[in-house]
This record gives sequence, C-alpha cells and structure tokens, in this order.
Amino acid sequence: QKEVEQDPGPLSVPEGAIVSLNCTYSNSAFQYFMWYRQYSRKGPELLMYTYSSGNKEDGRFTAQVDKSSKYISLFIRDSQPSDSATYLCAMSPSGGYQKVTFGTGTKLQVIP
Amino acid sequence: GAVVSQHPSWVICKSGTSVKIECRSLDFQATTMFWYRQFPKQSLMLMATSNEGSKATYEQGVEKDKFLINHASLTLSTLTVTSAHPEDSSFYICSARGGVGSTDTQYFGPGTRLTVL
Repeated sequence: QKEVEQDPGPLSVPEGAIVSLNCTYSNSAFQYFMWYRQYSRKGPELLMYTYSSGNKEDGRFTAQVDKSSKYISLFIRDSQPSDSATYLCAMSPSGGYQKVTFGTGTKLQVIP
Repeated sequence: GAVVSQHPSWVICKSGTSVKIECRSLDFQATTMFWYRQFPKQSLMLMATSNEGSKATYEQGVEKDKFLINHASLTLSTLTVTSAHPEDSSFYICSARGGVGSTDTQYFGPGTRLTVL
C-alpha cells in the first residue's frame, strides 16, 4: 500500500463547476499537508499549505484536512480553463527537514 | 518571493557524457535542497536531499556515484548526471526548503528535461 493515494483521473468538468480533488494517506505522522499545481512540462507550484486538521481558504481554493479519516481535499470553485493542470497532494511529518511524500497527481481538465 | 530557478531547462546529450544541472534559490537562503525525478505521467520521486556544506543523502536505489550532488552555498545546488544513458532521460526538478514566513514547505524549480541519445 502506498503511503499516499490519489486518483490519477483524468477529471473533466465544465467551466464554472466546483472541483473536488482528494487524497488519502496511511502515515499518521503526517502533519503538514500541501497541494501543488503542475502544468505540463513545468515544475510544481505551491497552491495551499495546511498544518494539522481544519480548513484553509485562499480565493477560489479551499483545502480541507481530516486527520481522523486520513483524508485531505482541495476544492476549486468557479473552475476556469486555466485551472487545467495536474494537482499533486503532498505531506510530511511535523517540523524539521522531513521527507515530503507526494501523491501521483490528478489531471484536471476544465472545458470552456 | 520564494523563487527557485533551474538551468538549463532542456538538454540533449550523447550517451556516455556528463550533464550538470543547476538549481538556485533567487530570493531566499535554502539550507536544504531536494532533487526529484519525474517520468511521464508519474509523480515526483525523491532522489536525494542536499544540505549546504555537507554530503547529500540519497534515497534507496539512487546511485550516488552516478548522480553527483553539490550544495556549495545557501543559494546553489548542482546535480551532475555522470555517464548518462538513455534510461536517464527524464524530467529533473529541484526544490528548496524555506522562503517567506515559517512554513515548512518546498518551493520547486521549473525543471530540466534531459534527453540522452
């Protein structure tokens, strides 16, 4: 079993839809949770960063962490064609220089 | 802030030659840098962790004599692929830990696409 599981997609939605992206994990030591967006042939770009459980909102993006279920989500409201990319979840244990574990990424396509 | 650059962005080389890739943190000091490899439609695979002034720590299965990492300063780390072969063709991405605030996160470079003929 992988430490982090993420549905690879692809996920196709119409413009303006609400998108839900999810990851599950098995390592209860994970405390830091991140979402990255990666356009084709580019490096990942940090979108959201959350420590421990709870919600965090930034513009059209909302990140949720449920540590009891070992489940994290990224919601995108009013999705735009420019949101079309691969979204990677990532997580690491608390503090220090701990290794970050990435999901395989979900490819999202927003259709105009 | 928190910009990481890589050079070159794309390199083609002949089998048996060595290739050096640079990773720079442009507006912050990065005591730790990471090197990843990404094959098509796969996630990032950590190759090694590099701390400034010390030897890199390699992940299991990564040959340290083939992938030489040097982290000579707080803003520069280099990855040298020695005696490259076609199976080394991949997308190599570096990241640097640090940046604005106290978030314990990584900022990624734009990646270097290596093609070995």
